Amino acid sequence: GQQVMQIPQYQHVQEGEDFTTYCNSSTTLSNIQWYKQRPGGHPVFLIQLVKSGEVKKQKRLTFQFGEAKKNSSLHITATQTTDVGTYFCAGDRSTGNQFYFGTGTSLTVIP
Amino acid sequence: KAGVTQTPRYLIKTRGQQVTLSCSPISGHRSVSWYQQTPGQGLQFLFEYFSETQRNKGNFPGRFSGRQFSNSRSEMNVSTLELGDSALYLCASSSNSGGPYEQYFGPGTRLTVT
Repeated sequence: GQQVMQIPQYQHVQEGEDFTTYCNSSTTLSNIQWYKQRPGGHPVFLIQLVKSGEVKKQKRLTFQFGEAKKNSSLHITATQTTDVGTYFCAGDRSTGNQFYFGTGTSLTVIP
Repeated sequence: KAGVTQTPRYLIKTRGQQVTLSCSPISGHRSVSWYQQTPGQGLQFLFEYFSETQRNKGNFPGRFSGRQFSNSRSEMNVSTLELGDSALYLCASSSNSGGPYEQYFGPGTRLTVT
């Protein structure tokens, strides 16, 4: 069954509003990655978080890894139409490459 | 560097047939992972190969198999196709050389089983 859950499943925002998606795992993760998939495209790597409580920023995007390494979040400030797509988290429980993808959050930005 | 390539891009098969999908990773990448993406189940991990060895395996039936060649190219095979196997099959490569294991995805193979 699904081991990594994401909420919300869908989010519609007005351009300029903020957006947050949350990722929760039933087990402790060794690291977590975030990907963006545009409609009709393939997932594109955004970032990887490894340390407990880690926070990383990429321009308007802020990524957090929970203290217990079981949850993570992606926050986008002042959304733009180019942010449209589905955002996936992917957690790895081991040190290898066996990633469990979250269910994804589909973001629609209304101009 | 050229990106990850997958062939074919589209495939239509009938139930009971088998299919082989191919993935060429980014030059220098030795890890190749395969995923199945469907609207209902999302992205599900199939297996990962590293240096011609299957290192990790997801929870899929034995009809799904794969292999990796010495040049890191990988193939995935699905035997006795079922309607539920219709999906986008994505492969991803990574260098897995000790740094962040970011995965680079190919465009996918869209498989339709009728």
